[in-house]
Amino acid sequence: SQTIHQWPATLVQPVGSPLSLECTVEGTSNPNLYWYRQAAGRGLQLLFYSVGIGQISSEVPQNLSASRPQDRQFILSSKKLLLSDSGFYLCAWSQDRGRGYTFGSGTRLTVV
Amino acid sequence: DQQVKQNSPSLSVQEGRISILNCDYTNSMFDYFLWYKKYPAEGPTFLISISSIKDKNEDGRFTVFLNKSAKHLSLHIVPSQPGDSAVYFCAASTGNQFYFGTGTSLTVIP
Repeated sequence: SQTIHQWPATLVQPVGSPLSLECTVEGTSNPNLYWYRQAAGRGLQLLFYSVGIGQISSEVPQNLSASRPQDRQFILSSKKLLLSDSGFYLCAWSQDRGRGYTFGSGTRLTVV
Repeated sequence: DQQVKQNSPSLSVQEGRISILNCDYTNSMFDYFLWYKKYPAEGPTFLISISSIKDKNEDGRFTVFLNKSAKHLSLHIVPSQPGDSAVYFCAASTGNQFYFGTGTSLTVIP
């Protein structure tokens, strides 16, 4: 069966520090992968999506970047975090369209 | 540009009654619609979906209705249970990408 792993679950980082969040998918090959952010009081905002190794599309200009070094690995990074980067980050992959996305358990990032 | 909108940020319903969550969209090219349920500090989980060729899909206590002419989607939960208390997101798709609403927080009062 397919599973998605995302870590860490929580993270507290100072302003200006780097960030690396990792997401891996098991049990499938060549998945479409996504990074979403849920900011306080807001919905789910698509940050990046990837349809294959090395292929990254960015939806919004921001302080973050994404990479896909392997087929089932998706990484969200920042060189210098801002206070506004705080939020709940979700990795997801898409199955058939009738079931939409399967989401990871999320990472709560607090930038202090 | 918010293509999928949930205009009610919160809803409270008595246990055993019907919960109706609403969603509106602007893109007539959307052809798949889904509802997700999300508990705090967890990722959203898939609840129910409907394709644009249907106007109703039912799964147990959950029914999704689609009104394409009005570009409106709704989720009915009958009967509502305290465990249904969560944030519900609607989502719409064209291609492989889904667009999410801002969510409605449902509280079912025992």
